[in-house]
Amino acid sequence: QQQVKQSPQSLIVQKGGIPIINCAYENTAFDYFPWYQQFPGKGPALLIAIRPDVSEKKEGRFTISFNKSAKQFSLHIMDSQPGDSATYFCAASIGGGGADGLTFGKGTHLIIQP
Amino acid sequence: NAGVTQTPKFRVLKTGQSMTLLCAQDMNHEYMYWYRQDPGMGLRLIHYSVGEGTTAKGEVPDGYNVSRLKKQNFLLGLESAAPSQTSVYFCASSTWGEQYFGPGTRLTVT
Repeated sequence: QQQVKQSPQSLIVQKGGIPIINCAYENTAFDYFPWYQQFPGKGPALLIAIRPDVSEKKEGRFTISFNKSAKQFSLHIMDSQPGDSATYFCAASIGGGGADGLTFGKGTHLIIQP
Repeated sequence: NAGVTQTPKFRVLKTGQSMTLLCAQDMNHEYMYWYRQDPGMGLRLIHYSVGEGTTAKGEVPDGYNVSRLKKQNFLLGLESAAPSQTSVYFCASSTWGEQYFGPGTRLTVT
């Protein structure tokens, strides 16, 4: 049973557009929700993370929106650039991002066309 | 400060062979993790450790063993490799929140 469902699998957006990637979770014990960015041949790197006591968090061009009642969260990339082309993973964990490891979504392959 | 390093970067094994993947971190992190990444599957947690001398099973632990004899190192062992273990393996470490990932080991089992 997949605990974190991510959509879409792939996404193509024109430069300057706003790609939106969505995730839904089932386990209400999750209390830490990060997004990771991965370039080909590299390990994932943390992009931005949110905890369920806030509904939105912005860091630069990246925004997480969080809907606790719907058990959903999403990533928005403002003014997207070709350099944002990568695979994005949402994830969730219990214990506020502590010891227990992350449960990942299956990933979204994002292409930003020039 | 090298962060998280993994050796080897690539390896090809025959079915039934054994090998050990080494992960090292120089950030004095308490927590370390092993994930596998397969196409269309995201990353799945194999085993993790909350401190030197401790290990715990993750989502997909079967066929793997781990050891954390030193705080900075986390070893992943395959005792008898199977084609289903063909994957990219990532090690990560953290204290709280952000996990720092290594560059990965691409393993092929024929």
